[in-house]
Order: sequence, then C-alpha cells, then structure tokens
Amino acid sequence: AQSVTQLDSQVPVFEEAPVELRCNYSSSVSVYLFWYVQYPNQGLQLLLKYLSGSTLVESINGFEAEFNKSQTSFHLRKPSVHISDTAEYFCAVSGAIQGAQKLVFGQGTRLTINP
Amino acid sequence: DTAVSQTPKYLVTQMGNDKSIKCEQNLGHDTMYWYKQDSKKFLKIMFSYNNKELIINETVPNRFSPKSPDKAHLNLHINSLELGDSAVYFCASSQGDYSPLHFGNGTRLTVT
Repeated sequence: AQSVTQLDSQVPVFEEAPVELRCNYSSSVSVYLFWYVQYPNQGLQLLLKYLSGSTLVESINGFEAEFNKSQTSFHLRKPSVHISDTAEYFCAVSGAIQGAQKLVFGQGTRLTINP
Repeated sequence: DTAVSQTPKYLVTQMGNDKSIKCEQNLGHDTMYWYKQDSKKFLKIMFSYNNKELIINETVPNRFSPKSPDKAHLNLHINSLELGDSAVYFCASSQGDYSPLHFGNGTRLTVT
C-alpha cells in the first residue's frame, strides 16, 4: 500500500524568505511522486513531478523538490517566496492501473506568506 | 477555454435528496476521475474511468454512481444524500500512465 505524510499542516513565512515543505512517502512498488498546488477556490494544479532520472526536479516558478530514496522523502523548497505563493500544497504518490493513475495524497500543507 | 469544467459550482440540498454533478473535459484525454476533498482538505480518489470503462472504484457507498456517456464526460450521481456527503468534489482527467491530472475547480456540496 502507498501512503504520504506531510509533516506540517501549516507553514507561515515572510515574503522573500526560503521555505521547505516536507513530504515522506511509503510505497512497495516503483515510486512516482508529485507536488500539486491548490489556490483558493480552485482545483489542483501540477507543480512538479519525479518519475525517473535526476533526483532534483524543478518547476517553472522557482520551486524544486528532491527525491531521496534512502530517506523516503520528496521535500519541496523555494529559496525566496512571494505573496502569490500562498496556497495549499499537496504531495502525492502514484500507481498506474490500466491507464489510470491512482494518486494518494498527503494531508496538505497550507503555506501562508506574510509581507 | 476551460479544460475541465464541472457544474454546478455550488450545490446545497437536504438529506435524502438525489443529486448529480456533471463534468466535461475538452483535452482529448482518455481517463477521467472523481476525487472527494473533505473539510480537512484531505483528498481521496473515488472513481476512475478509462475510455468509458470503470477502472478504479474505491470503497465508496453504492449511493454514489458514476456514469461516463463518452470519453469527454464523467458524471456523478448521488442517491439519498447524507450529512457526511458534504465535501468538495473534484473531477479530473489525464492521458497516459503518470501524466499529470488536470482538475476542475470543484463542486462544493452541502447537505443540510
């Protein structure tokens, strides 16, 4: 069975400060990991993903995440946050079933940016 | 153009009623999903269809019945609504293994 634990339910930071959102996973099969972001009153959007290859993956808006197999982690980081990064962030692990993806999500981390 | 659209956006109804939520995607994807997000923001998959065939059916009460008339549509019908059904329901679609899911903006269901 697959599971995801996001260690922080809320993370408040000041604008332009660095941030790390922690994610640990458990999976008995090949690991495919994702971070999704949910802005207020919207659906989820893919932020970045790890399928294979380089363990460091980046998004277009400055976020990055590193897959660490030994620590079973996929933490999300950004060196300098903006007010617009305020959102709920979800880490997820995926298993494919006949062309469909079964995403198992963590509990979410609410990132709040203070000016 | 909205890629994944759900209607209605808000749904307020009384216990015991039957209601439907509609979802349409214009991305040409083969696979569609329903997810439920509870009041604590926890997201859980309910169903998935691939080319109109039911692929994933999680432990969901049989009061919930998905229907996929074609690849671009996946509707969710709920019978005998209960207070615990109050949540935000998200439709999503994807194409191929491990490709990103595209989510709709959700339907907030409130059962009184």
